[in-house]
Amino acid sequence: KAGVTQTPRYLIKTRGQQVTLSCSPISGHRSVSWYQQTPGQGLQFLFEYFSETQRNKGNFPGRFSGRQFSNSRSEMNVSTLELGDSALYLCASSPQLAIQETQYFGPGTRLLVL
Amino acid sequence: AQSVTQLGSHVSVSEGALVLLRCNYSSSVPPYLFWYVQYPNQGLQLLLKYTTGATLVKGINGFEAEFKKSETSFHLTKPSAHMSDAAEYFCAVVNQGGKLIFGQGTELSVKP
Repeated sequence: KAGVTQTPRYLIKTRGQQVTLSCSPISGHRSVSWYQQTPGQGLQFLFEYFSETQRNKGNFPGRFSGRQFSNSRSEMNVSTLELGDSALYLCASSPQLAIQETQYFGPGTRLLVL
Repeated sequence: AQSVTQLGSHVSVSEGALVLLRCNYSSSVPPYLFWYVQYPNQGLQLLLKYTTGATLVKGINGFEAEFKKSETSFHLTKPSAHMSDAAEYFCAVVNQGGKLIFGQGTELSVKP
C-alpha cells in the first residue's frame, strides 16, 4: 500500500496570508491526525478527523482548522499566518480512531512564514 | 494528564556500542506507549509499540523496549549501534482522548 502523502512538501508564505495543506491517508484508513513540529515546542497535536468529523482538538487558536472528505483525505488551513506558524506539519493516519491504533506518518509539509 | 519525559536531548555512542534511550511517562490509566524515529527531512516511522501483554517489545531494526510499570519507564535499547541509527527518537503515550503526547525527542549520534 502507498503510505501517507502530503502536499505540498515545502511552502513559503508571508505574514497575514492563509495556507491550505493536504493529506492523503493510507488506503482504508479512516482517521487522520495533524501535528505541528517546531524546535521549541516539539511535536504538538492539532486535531483528529474520523468519518468527516473532528473528534479531537489540541490547544491551538481558531486560526487553525481542518476538514476531512468522504474519501478520508484531509486538509488543514491556517489563516492570518504568523511568524510562529513556521513549522513542519505532519499528518498521520490510522485504520480507526487513534486511541489505540498505530498512527502512520507522512513526510510532512515544511511551512516557512516570512 | 498523560505526559512523557525523555532524559537527554542528545546521546552519542560509538558504532557497535549499546544504545539506551530513556523514556518515563505519567498516565492515570494503563498506557499505550510508542517509540518513533525521525530521519532528517522525513516524517516519523514507528519503531515499536506497547499496548498490553508482554512487557518486552521488539521492534524494527533491532530495537526493543521494556515496559516497567513500577518505574513508569519505557526505555529503548539496541545491543549494537549502527551508523544508520543516527536520527531523532521520540517516545509517545496515547492519552484517553486518543491524542499522541510526545516527549521532546532524543537525538542519537553514532561515532565511527
